[in-house]
Amino acid sequence: GAGVSQSPSNKVTEKGKDVELRCDPISGHTALYWYRQSLGQGLEFLIYFQGNSAPDKSGLPSDRFSAERTGGSVSTLTIQRTQQEDSAVYLCASSLAQGSGNTIYFGEGSWLTVV
Amino acid sequence: AQSVTQLGSHVSVSEGALVLLRCNYSSSVPPYLFWYVQYPNQGLQLLLKYTSAATLVKGINGFEAEFKKSETSFHLTKPSAHMSDAAEYFCAVTRGGQAGTALIFGKGTTLSVSS
Repeated sequence: GAGVSQSPSNKVTEKGKDVELRCDPISGHTALYWYRQSLGQGLEFLIYFQGNSAPDKSGLPSDRFSAERTGGSVSTLTIQRTQQEDSAVYLCASSLAQGSGNTIYFGEGSWLTVV
Repeated sequence: AQSVTQLGSHVSVSEGALVLLRCNYSSSVPPYLFWYVQYPNQGLQLLLKYTSAATLVKGINGFEAEFKKSETSFHLTKPSAHMSDAAEYFCAVTRGGQAGTALIFGKGTTLSVSS
């Protein structure tokens, strides 16, 4: 597609429920990233994919968070047993992988509210 | 570990005045540095990036930034502010390591422009 696409754009869920957030990167981009943006915390790195593998998962805040990427394209971020502190905007981004200076393109985010 | 510090969470200027947003970085390797802008209810958009070529980098919308190794700084400037520049601005550095192409972001600076 023309840009990074994320769904849903907004999600309200009850505490304790599981949620799945989807990201469709720019076609041809092999690198994919998930970030979390919350008030006062800025942008927090969660996980990075190169193709289908995730060399760096160190940013995931707890074992309730997981992510996968299949076919080198679409990625899903899953949050199990959601807590109120999980409320944030979850941003997905993608880039060409050759070289650290490549531009990273962001989607508009999935706004998650846990009530 | 790589990091960035943005001095001033909120900057206010008058329309037509100079815009100066400060960013200092810490990096164990020669850094790649970025400035992103986020307009209200929108995703992040790249303003400019430094990838070890010219130290003065020009970006979109009249913004520029100068890489100063001796000061470990990458401040963002614009000679004359417009009302449309009101947004949140993020400085970022490449994370390195296993997630070399991922970015570490500062906490952001909100720019307000008054008429």
